Amino acid sequence: ETGVTQSPTHLIKTRGQQVTLRCSSQSGHNTVSWYQQALGQGPQFIFQYYREEENGRGNFPPRFSGLQFPNYSSELNVNALELDDSALYLCASSLGFGFLEHFGPGTRLTVT
Amino acid sequence: DQQVKQNSPSLSVQEGRISILNCDYTNSMFDYFLWYKKYPAEGPTFLISISSIKDKNEDGRFTVFLNKSAKHLSLHIVPSQPGDSAVYFCAASVYYGGSQGNLIFGKGTKLSVKP
Repeated sequence: ETGVTQSPTHLIKTRGQQVTLRCSSQSGHNTVSWYQQALGQGPQFIFQYYREEENGRGNFPPRFSGLQFPNYSSELNVNALELDDSALYLCASSLGFGFLEHFGPGTRLTVT
Repeated sequence: DQQVKQNSPSLSVQEGRISILNCDYTNSMFDYFLWYKKYPAEGPTFLISISSIKDKNEDGRFTVFLNKSAKHLSLHIVPSQPGDSAVYFCAASVYYGGSQGNLIFGKGTKLSVKP
């Protein structure tokens, strides 16, 4: 059974650019949740996707968007990057609306 | 405004002794609480949870206590082992619509267990 994987591991972007982060769900899981963890903070909920539909969103602007694919992998897209977007981005998968057991190792995004 | 607070950024404990990690919350609507453990370069991993209808949940060396009137929960690790050294996050959710994806996390407590 494969766990949650994320790519890339690290990424450096310039302010104003766009970025796409990827997440592969744990086998058999159909729900993906994305979190942002700024330095020294706990993870903060961005949004959740269930069967390719957004199912809940945290307090993030519309330039944060996502997709979930038929194989339940997911993408997080961030447009018009700002310096404050620098953070560790975590995804977690679950079966239905069960609690989040495992998170992926995260993508470290640095915006300069 | 932090709804889940872990006021101790770090905790150092001797191997074999008890580790007690604390967490306070402000939202009385929270009805499910979880603890996660995070090692460097890895994502958080679920450790133990408790529903608001209980005041204690035990799993091996790990016990979580919930005091709803004080809006306080704690994680006890007995006995502590060097492999327990990690960052521990407290998280809470409102089980609305059956979804627990929207977890509110504290800032974490870094536990160091010394041999």
